[in-house]
Amino acid sequence: DSGVTQTPKHLITATGQRVTLRCSPRSGDLSVYWYQQSLDQGLQFLIHYYNGEERAKGNILERFSAQQFPDLHSELNLSSLELGDSALYFCASSAGLAGLTGELFFGEGSRLTVL
Amino acid sequence: AQKITQTQPGMFVQEKEAVTLDCTYDTSDPSYGLFWYKQPSSGEMIFLIYQGSYDQQNATEGRYSLNFQKARKSANLVISASQLGDSAMYFCAMREGPFPGANSKLTFGKGITLSVRP
Repeated sequence: DSGVTQTPKHLITATGQRVTLRCSPRSGDLSVYWYQQSLDQGLQFLIHYYNGEERAKGNILERFSAQQFPDLHSELNLSSLELGDSALYFCASSAGLAGLTGELFFGEGSRLTVL
Repeated sequence: AQKITQTQPGMFVQEKEAVTLDCTYDTSDPSYGLFWYKQPSSGEMIFLIYQGSYDQQNATEGRYSLNFQKARKSANLVISASQLGDSAMYFCAMREGPFPGANSKLTFGKGITLSVRP
C-alpha cells in the first residue's frame, strides 16, 4: 500500500460526458502528479501540483483540468469525453523535501472506459 | 529524441536465473535521477530502485541492482534469482534536474514485459 488513494477505481461512461477523478496523497506529501496510461501512448505526464499551486503541465488536453485543494487532495476533471480518453489514470505523490530521491508513490489508478 | 528508451520487446527468464532489462536515456542536464518501477498485472506502480547522476556506486536494493553507465547513458536493471512474482511490466524513468526542484516530474519509457518461467 503506497498510501496514495484514488477514487473511483473503475468508471464507465459515455462519450461527451464529464467525470472527476479524486486523489488523496500520502500523509505529508505536498506534491501531486497525474499521469495517463494508455496502450499506445504509455505513461504520459499530465500535470504537477505542489502545495496547491500548479508547477508543471505536460500533454494535458484543454478538455482536462485539475486542481489541488488546501487539504492537499487533488481532482482531475475530464470533460467532453472521447473514446480515446479511455485509459488508466494514475495519481502519484512525493514529499518534495531535500535529501530524498524524488521517487513518486503511485495510487492504484482509476480505470476510465468511455463507450 | 525520446528521453527514455526501452527497446526490448519482451523478456523471458527461467526461475532463479538473473535477467537484465535495458534502459537508455537522453538528457543534457548534469543533475538527474533514474528510477525503475514494476507494474504487475494488477496495475499498481511499484518503485524498485533509484540512481542519482552523481552517485558513485551502482544502486542496489535486495535482488535489484542498477548497472549505471553514465558515459553510455544507460541504466540497466538487473534482477537476480528471478521469482515467478517478478513477472510484470518494468518501466525506466528519469527526472531531469536536481531534487527538489521546479521540474520534478518523471518521464517514463514504454516499458518491458518480463515473464518468468518455472
